[in-house]
Amino acid sequence: QVQLVESGGGLVKPGGSLRLSCAASGVTFSDYYKGWIRQAPGRGLEWLSYISGDSGDTNYADSVKGRFTISRDNAQGSLYLQLNSLRVEDTAVYYCATGPQIRTPDYWGQGTLVTVSS
Amino acid sequence: DVVMTQSPLSLPVTLGQPASISCRSTQGLVYSGRYTFLNWFQQRPGQSPRRLIYEVSNRDSGVPDRFSGSGSGTDFTLRISRVEAEDVGVYYCMQGTHWPWTFGQGTKVEI
Repeated sequence: QVQLVESGGGLVKPGGSLRLSCAASGVTFSDYYKGWIRQAPGRGLEWLSYISGDSGDTNYADSVKGRFTISRDNAQGSLYLQLNSLRVEDTAVYYCATGPQIRTPDYWGQGTLVTVSS
Repeated sequence: DVVMTQSPLSLPVTLGQPASISCRSTQGLVYSGRYTFLNWFQQRPGQSPRRLIYEVSNRDSGVPDRFSGSGSGTDFTLRISRVEAEDVGVYYCMQGTHWPWTFGQGTKVEI
């Protein structure tokens, strides 16, 4: 059974940093693109970033470019998102997602909550 | 960015009756002259989004056949032929053609 499990969320002050992780099990995802999507409380969904299987292709939404960094470790089956210079408006549930075609992600994690507040 | 506009944003439904959600994009969604990356997701309360339909009209495995997707160009529709109680939730369209990939605002379906 395919499973994605995010971790690393929590409460952080504005300007602070966090590192989110997404562990995959059940299927070898090393060839698949992976990505991060967030959902602010009571709000819709926002794509943040994606990364190719060999880490050679990455992209970011303007809202996080220069502050967030996506990476992966295929040996560990893990995906990461480094969040720096956090703002109150970054408060959200962060989901990792993947699939044979990342433009139509069919596997999602359960999400991890990031709260940015003083 | 491509803006995805869903309507209605709230959809009261009657069990056993059909329901329909519209999704319009500000740009065409054909990719490389071959694919149209328009997807539909269902998010039940307290859960992660679940993909129902990919590339306009392909229903995912395990998704009841009462769900169907259609459309082309910039206009797309999700239809539920006969609403059941388990269909309550928020439905999102999403385009995966133009980065940043974007979602509609969501349509809340309630009985």
